[in-house]
Amino acid sequence: GAVVSQHPSRVICKSGTSVKIECRSLDFQATTMFWYRQFPKQSLMLMATSNEGSKATYEQGVEKDKFLINHASLTLSTLTVTSAHPEDSSFYICSASKGYGYTFGSGTRLTVV
Amino acid sequence: KQEVTQIPAALSVPEGENLVLNCSFTDSAIYNLQWFRQDPGKGLTSLLLIQSSQREQTSGRLNASLDKSSGRSTLYIAASQPGDSATYLCAVEIYNQGGKLIFGQGTELSVKP
Repeated sequence: GAVVSQHPSRVICKSGTSVKIECRSLDFQATTMFWYRQFPKQSLMLMATSNEGSKATYEQGVEKDKFLINHASLTLSTLTVTSAHPEDSSFYICSASKGYGYTFGSGTRLTVV
Repeated sequence: KQEVTQIPAALSVPEGENLVLNCSFTDSAIYNLQWFRQDPGKGLTSLLLIQSSQREQTSGRLNASLDKSSGRSTLYIAASQPGDSATYLCAVEIYNQGGKLIFGQGTELSVKP
């Protein structure tokens, strides 16, 4: 149990376009999901906490208008990178908790060209 | 502010060796500590979770210890195998922070056949 599916695994987009990443808890309900960003050879940095039915809580320095988070149901949270630029290229990972520990998605490699 | 540090940043050992990875944290007010494995370009796989009231957890060839008072945790890997090659990340969950995890930078392990 406790499987988190993240889609897509890889995406290449042009500068100025928007990209949506989905995070689904397949076999449990997650009232809270988390979105992380990871640069090459670096650790995970929390971007925002996504709460079902309410606005996301963003970490300091993360632009909420650029990284739109929607958590419309107990099993789905989405991260939309708006007006993407090359510096947004990174590895994005979501996670969810079943109440004991955290399960992570397989990540999304975003490349903005 | 909680900071998590992992030493060493990289480690290369011959197959069969026992090894220890270190993780330290600055604030002992943690809910739990978790060790993860990350393969290149992939998401995170949870290895062991130690609650703040526990001293250690074991799973197969892995043993993780926690000394909350000194702000330290170790991950012991017995009889290492080439398949153990990956980046190992430790993360602490802070009290009353809604499940936020603070990650260390990771230790990149290479086990040579």
